[in-house]
Amino acid sequence: EVQLLESGGGLVQPGGSLRLSCEASGFTFKRYAVGWVRQAPGKGLEWVSDISHDSDSMYYSDSVKGRFTISRDNSKSTLYLQMSSLRDEDTAIYYCAKRPVGLLRYFDSWGQGALVIVSS
Amino acid sequence: EIVLTQSPATLSLSPGERATLSCRASQIVSTSYLAWYQQKPGQAPRLLIYAAATRATDIPDRFSGSGSETDFTLTITRLQPEDSAVYYCQQYGLSPLTFGGGTKVEIK
Repeated sequence: EVQLLESGGGLVQPGGSLRLSCEASGFTFKRYAVGWVRQAPGKGLEWVSDISHDSDSMYYSDSVKGRFTISRDNSKSTLYLQMSSLRDEDTAIYYCAKRPVGLLRYFDSWGQGALVIVSS
Repeated sequence: EIVLTQSPATLSLSPGERATLSCRASQIVSTSYLAWYQQKPGQAPRLLIYAAATRATDIPDRFSGSGSETDFTLTITRLQPEDSAVYYCQQYGLSPLTFGGGTKVEIK
């Protein structure tokens, strides 16, 4: 069974930094692209970033480009999202999600999410 | 950027009825690269449909997807109480990946 477990969420002041982690199990992590999708309180889903299985390709939404960095450690089956220069509008639940094998960029498994609150 | 517009915003139906959810794209979604997700309160989204019409693993055949180019539909037949949720479409044919605003399905 695929499992994705996010951690690292919390309360941070505007302008601050935070790193999210997502530990994967139940599948061969190094073979799959993975990514992050967020959901502001009471709002819809917003794609944030995703990364290829071998870290060769990384994609970012315009809203986080230059502030967030996605990375992965295949030896630890873990995905990361380093977030800096955080803004109020970054407040959201951040979901780690797995893509299917290959290049298709939809998400076939999701974690339960990590809550990030940006507030002074 | 491809903007996805979902309608209606809310659908209120009785058990056993059919739900028809629409997702319209601001430009052609290449190769029908469109997915549908279900999200229940307090839960993560779950993949229902990909490639516009292919059911994901373990998804009941009451859920079906159709459409192409700019008009896509998710149909739920024989509605059950557990189908109460918000449903999102997502296009993955063009970066940035985008989601629709969601349709909330309420079961009376």
